[in-house]
Amino acid sequence: QKEVEQDPGPLSVPEGAIVSLNCTYSNSAFQYFMWYRQYSRKGPELLMYTYSSGNKEDGRFTAQVDKSSKYISLFIRDSQPSDSATYLCAMSMGGKLIFGQGTELSVKP
Amino acid sequence: SQTIHQWPATLVQPVGSPLSLECTVEGTSNPNLYWYRQAAGRGLQLLFYSVGIGQISSEVPQNLSASRPQDRQFILSSKKLLLSDSGFYLCAWSVFRGAGNTIYFGEGSWLTVV
Repeated sequence: QKEVEQDPGPLSVPEGAIVSLNCTYSNSAFQYFMWYRQYSRKGPELLMYTYSSGNKEDGRFTAQVDKSSKYISLFIRDSQPSDSATYLCAMSMGGKLIFGQGTELSVKP
Repeated sequence: SQTIHQWPATLVQPVGSPLSLECTVEGTSNPNLYWYRQAAGRGLQLLFYSVGIGQISSEVPQNLSASRPQDRQFILSSKKLLLSDSGFYLCAWSVFRGAGNTIYFGEGSWLTVV
């Protein structure tokens, strides 16, 4: 079993839709969770990070962590074509950092 | 603010030729530095990481090596490239935020071995 599971997609939604991206993990020791956005042929860009269970909001983006279920989500409200990218979850425990495979998102105008 | 520079952005190299990718970080001291490779399936594979000058840890046995000659400089090398070395190479640095590492990536280098 992989330590982090992420559906690779592709996920296609119409402009304005609410997007939900998810990862599950197996190691309950992970304490720190991140989401990255990667445009084609570019390096991943850090979107959000959070330590604790619950929600963290930044503009149209909301990161949600449920440690009891070992499940993290990224919600994108009012999705735009410019949100079309691959989204990678990542989690860390001390010096150990694990990435999901990434979900490819396409927002159609 | 911290910035990371990685070059060259794109290169096409023949099989058996050497490789040198360079990365520098500005605006921070004693960063942890990383080299990742990303294959077509989008997964990030950690190749090397370094916690200080001359300190290199290899995660995957392969045709590549890394060096850290200065605090904020990280170099990925190969003496003889293989076709399987083609891919997207990413340099990164990290900051420890108490509970874990936040990692920041460069723009990447596209390597095609022909």
